[in-house]
Amino acid sequence: QSALTQPASVSGSPGQSITISCTGTSSDVGGYNYVSWYQHHPGKAPKLMIYDVSKRPSGVSNRFSGSKSGNTASLTISGLQAEDEADYYCSSYTSSSTWVFGGGTKLTV
Amino acid sequence: EVQLVQSGAEVKKPGESLKISCKGSGYSFTTYWIGWVRQMPGKGLEWMGIIYPDDSDTRYSPSFQGQVTISADKSISTAYLQWSSLKASDTAMYYCARRQNAIRYFDFWGLGTLVTVSS
Repeated sequence: QSALTQPASVSGSPGQSITISCTGTSSDVGGYNYVSWYQHHPGKAPKLMIYDVSKRPSGVSNRFSGSKSGNTASLTISGLQAEDEADYYCSSYTSSSTWVFGGGTKLTV
Repeated sequence: EVQLVQSGAEVKKPGESLKISCKGSGYSFTTYWIGWVRQMPGKGLEWMGIIYPDDSDTRYSPSFQGQVTISADKSISTAYLQWSSLKASDTAMYYCARRQNAIRYFDFWGLGTLVTVSS
């Protein structure tokens, strides 16, 4: 099972919007609407930000949104804030009934 | 309050065995799967496997099958990840995370257990 492909890093200024892509295959991202996104600040527990491609858990800012087209999912963060600076990981359920993560994207604000 | 409390950092030598734990509280432990995720130094997250504590149904990533053993003791709401013979390449942070049955994401994570394997 190969890791999903994410850009290693993205950056943006406060107030701007950024998008992080996550590319898989028809056996994972493209085959199911089960993509989730996690925010990870070093030394803290990863936090669920988006699930089932585009749904936001209670308490997560509506500045975070998700989408998918074919084998590529995307996380968009609008109105960037300093506290958004973190590592972001996508994940997908797979046809093998397992999960696969992306390599992670470091967001610099 | 939901909590997944993981055991403390470990320093081991190659060839030694190890069992780390993840204790759930604040929710019905037997109705959530517990997954394990590895993060090697400077690297991304890797899904290792998952267990359903109620009946110990366990699934492994092909990359970790045979390399680790995942188990659980529902009487004390605790899941485990164990190695019989550690290698230096097992040095990593290990996270546990819960997933409710019928959903396909992990909604709550532990803080992680750092495992260092060095001679």
